[in-house]
Amino acid sequence: EIVLTQSPDFQSVTPKEKVTITCRASQSIGSSLHWYQQKPDQSPKLLIKYASQSFSGVPSRFSGSGSGTDFTLTINSLEAEDAATYYCHQSSSLPRTFGQGTKVEIK
Amino acid sequence: QVQLQESGPGLLKPSGTLSLTCAVSGGSISSSNWWSWVRQPPGKGLEWIGEIYHTGNTNYNPSLKSRVTISVDKSKNQFSLKLSSVTAADTAVYYCALVAGGHFDYWGQGTLVTVSS
Repeated sequence: EIVLTQSPDFQSVTPKEKVTITCRASQSIGSSLHWYQQKPDQSPKLLIKYASQSFSGVPSRFSGSGSGTDFTLTINSLEAEDAATYYCHQSSSLPRTFGQGTKVEIK
Repeated sequence: QVQLQESGPGLLKPSGTLSLTCAVSGGSISSSNWWSWVRQPPGKGLEWIGEIYHTGNTNYNPSLKSRVTISVDKSKNQFSLKLSSVTAADTAVYYCALVAGGHFDYWGQGTLVTVSS
């Protein structure tokens, strides 16, 4: 099973600041890494697929990068509505696995 | 846009069987996608349970495989989850989701299932 480790677990950020979340895989997964946003009491929503491709309708301030074992989700100019928990997920091999999540709080 | 809606009992007794259904609208369950179940214990992260293709092919998480059955009903455009021998550790919000190209494109709103005597 591929283990995904996110860092940090928690981040408190002021609006307009840049946020960087990393996801490290326990073995190489190519670009089969996807990012989701989950707001309180809502279901997760796909933000980025295959490491760097934006999903339809996702604001351009969200971007992703990386390949192999190290990946990054960047939120440029954070907005209040971006307060959420962010998860990475790998589809390189079964079982599908998720990172433990990174909670982003707005100061 | 595809929409998914979970339904089923919200309270179960230990050792019972959890049964949930996911109704798909705005798209056909016979499309070239996998249909998946994911759960989230209160205050915790996401755990993939398993998935099914419209042909009936399934993949399960090895950690749950001995207790899980996922099935599809093409006539009703829905798929279902059964989890047997439940314990308090199975208390979670259960989501159904569409898997397209390996990523979960659309999710249901989720349904909380509590296991308690």
